[in-house]
Formats: sequence, structure tokens, C-alpha cells
Amino acid sequence: EPEVTQTPSHQVTQMGQEVILRCVPISNHLYFYWYRQILGQKVEFLVSFYNNEISEKSEIFDDQFSVERPDGSNFTLKIRSTKLEDSAMYFCASSPDRTEYSPLHFGNGTRLTVT
Amino acid sequence: KNEVEQSPQNLTAQEGEFITINCSYSVGISALHWLQQHPGGGIVSLFMLSSGKKKHGRLIATINIQEKHSSLHITASHPRDSAVYICAVKKGGSEKLVFGKGTKLTVNP
Repeated sequence: EPEVTQTPSHQVTQMGQEVILRCVPISNHLYFYWYRQILGQKVEFLVSFYNNEISEKSEIFDDQFSVERPDGSNFTLKIRSTKLEDSAMYFCASSPDRTEYSPLHFGNGTRLTVT
Repeated sequence: KNEVEQSPQNLTAQEGEFITINCSYSVGISALHWLQQHPGGGIVSLFMLSSGKKKHGRLIATINIQEKHSSLHITASHPRDSAVYICAVKKGGSEKLVFGKGTKLTVNP
């Protein structure tokens, strides 16, 4: 069964550094998402992306964050200048469409640790 | 106030027991998802519901739109069912999922 792939599985970075988290969504999917989960807390929506542009974003997704689909397969989340509070598990997800009947497929996540 | 509330927070059962996890929500939704999160962190979608009932193997999910309530049932529970079960709703007019805090299920042999 096709799956969403995220790399790396764990990223350690120093405060103030830029990080890029990478995702390869399922190939025929059109809608892409980033979610994050701070340790011990619930999963939170960051951003949705369709047709090469952001379709919805949360208050968390400020100017430090950006997303890109640089080629036909990768979907990236960039954090420009990481803060300690950015430490979390980041999940990429994709779906074939955005109807209420559309299944959502998650990657296994990238654990980001900011020191 | 959380838009999605789950109960219980933690649940311990003996192998073979029937499990029920509840989810209540306070907003208009277009769909409700039940997800499973394993200790390693990965999230797997179990069900997506907009009405009625769905069954997959030993798992059953129901939703009552009028009461804004959903339940996830596991029949003949097994230690491999141990995981965090998460309810998430898709609000009407939005693409995002709003997640509950999850129910940590431990099934002992």
C-alpha cells in the first residue's frame, strides 16, 4: 500500500538555525498538510497546501514557517530560525481530495529537537 | 474549552474485553476521524465518518450527529491494540482537523 514518507525521522538543531523537514506524499494525492505534536500535547494543524499554494494556515504558522513543493514529489516545511518551543513531532499528511469522504494518510513523523 | 473531548483519558483492559472510547465535539463538522497513534509516534487513520456506523475487523465506529458524539469500540481486545486512540473532527468550511487529546489504551494479556 502506498505511504507518506518523511525524512529525517529525527532532527536535532541549535536554536536560531534553519531546518527543512521533508515529505513525499502519496503520488496521486492533491492535498497536503503539516501537523505538529508537542510532547505530551494534542496534535495541532499547521497548514494545508493545494495547487502550489497555501489553502489554510493556523495561528501557529507564522512568518518563521514556509512550505514548498519544489518538484512533483517532495513537500517541505521550512522553519527559518528555530526556537526551543518548535521542538515537536511534525507530521506530514496527504489526501486525494478534500471532501468529507477523503481519507487522510499520515507519515511517521519527524521528531525535531531544538537545543 | 476544547472543541473535541475524549473519555476516558486512560483505559486499562484485560485481553478479550470489549472496549469503548468516547468522543464529544462542540462544533459543526463535515467528518469525524478516529486515528491510532503507536508508541513510536506514527499516526494511522482507522475510520472516517460523517454518519451512522462503520466496521473494520474488530473495530466499530459510530457517530450521532444530533448529539455531537462518536464512539470507538474494540471487540475481543488484544495486547497489540495498546496504543493512543485519537478522535479528530473536520470543521465545516475548513480543511483542518481539530484533534482531541487522545485515549491511551493498555490491554494486558
